Amino acid sequence: QKEVEQDPGPLSVPEGAIVSLNCTYSNSAFQYFMWYRQYSRKGPELLMYTYSSGNKEDGRFTAQVDKSSKYISLFIRDSQPSDSATYLCAMSDIGSNYQLIWGAGTKLIIKP
Amino acid sequence: DGGITQSPKYLFRKEGQNVTLSCEQNLNHDAMYWYRQDPGQGLRLIYYSQIVNDFQKGDIAEGYSVSREKKESFPLTVTSAQKNPTAFYLCASSADLSNTEAFFGQGTRLTVV
Repeated sequence: QKEVEQDPGPLSVPEGAIVSLNCTYSNSAFQYFMWYRQYSRKGPELLMYTYSSGNKEDGRFTAQVDKSSKYISLFIRDSQPSDSATYLCAMSDIGSNYQLIWGAGTKLIIKP
Repeated sequence: DGGITQSPKYLFRKEGQNVTLSCEQNLNHDAMYWYRQDPGQGLRLIYYSQIVNDFQKGDIAEGYSVSREKKESFPLTVTSAQKNPTAFYLCASSADLSNTEAFFGQGTRLTVV
């Protein structure tokens, strides 16, 4: 079993829809949770990070962490074709010297 | 503009050759990282460095080597000992050890021919 599981997709939705992307993990020690967006043949860019449990909102993006269920989510409201990309979750903890453990990424396609 | 520059963008290597991938940052970050990305897999850590003249092996260091002689530079050498080197290589840096905001370069696609 991988430490971080992420559905690879592709996930295809119409423009304007609400998108939900998810990761599950097995290590209860993880404290920092990140979402990165990666366009084809480019490096990942950080969208959001959350410490411990709770929600965090930034514009059309909301990140949720549920440590009791070992489950994190990224919601995208009013999705746009420019949101089409691969979304990677990553997490870390002090015990592993903050080294990031990555999900495999979910490919998202927003249809105009 | 501050950022991380990787070069070249595409690299072709013959079997048995060593190649070096360049990574330069002007963000004044202490920590730098090299990852490998293969289709359907998460990023895997090859090497990382938290300070000049010091670096640590990641999860898949075999067949790779690095140096950190300057704060802004962290080159990666893919040696002939790496059995399956064809992959997308990503360099990253972060300001501190918490690694909560890693900045990535645009990557180097290495293909063995």
